[in-house]
Amino acid sequence: DQQVKQNSPSLSVQEGRISILNCDYTNSMFDYFLWYKKYPAEGPTFLISISSIKDKNEDGRFTVFLNKSAKHLSLHIVPSQPGDSAVYFCAASGNFNKFYFGSGTKLNVKP
Amino acid sequence: SQTIHQWPATLVQPVGSPLSLECTVEGTSNPNLYWYRQAAGRGLQLLFYSVGIGQISSEVPQNLSASRPQDRQFILSSKKLLLSDSGFYLCAWSGDDMNTEAFFGQGTRLTVV
Repeated sequence: DQQVKQNSPSLSVQEGRISILNCDYTNSMFDYFLWYKKYPAEGPTFLISISSIKDKNEDGRFTVFLNKSAKHLSLHIVPSQPGDSAVYFCAASGNFNKFYFGSGTKLNVKP
Repeated sequence: SQTIHQWPATLVQPVGSPLSLECTVEGTSNPNLYWYRQAAGRGLQLLFYSVGIGQISSEVPQNLSASRPQDRQFILSSKKLLLSDSGFYLCAWSGDDMNTEAFFGQGTRLTVV
């Protein structure tokens, strides 16, 4: 039973526009949320995170939004660049420090 | 700075053969260590995690086992591989404090034939 879900397996966006990747979770004990970027045949690399005490965290072109009541978070990339094309994983952890990942969304940014 | 090493990068093994994948972390002490598997359509599945030497927790029943013989060494093993063990295996570490990130190795592509 997946505790973290990414319901969109793929997303295609034009260069310069906004990319919005979504993630839902079911476990109310999660209190830390992360986004990772992954290229084929490589390990995921950490992008940005947010604690449950916040509803927004921004780092350059990347912003993560958290809606605890809806158990939903999203990653916004503005402006999107072709180099952003990769698979993006949402992850969540709690006081047990195990990380649970979604199934990923493949982002394609078209030049 | 901390680094994580995972090897081999690719491995082709016959059904019924044993498996040993190794992961080591440098530049930190007492890390939490993890083994994940990436399977098509299921994202990254947590297989094992460890908070200290000899302390292993399994997340899912399977044909695999893990061991942590040293503080910064994590090993994934199998006595007899199955076809269904094929996948992309990832080792990761995190600090032992709260609200921290996990950092991943480069992964091992295992193909069981």
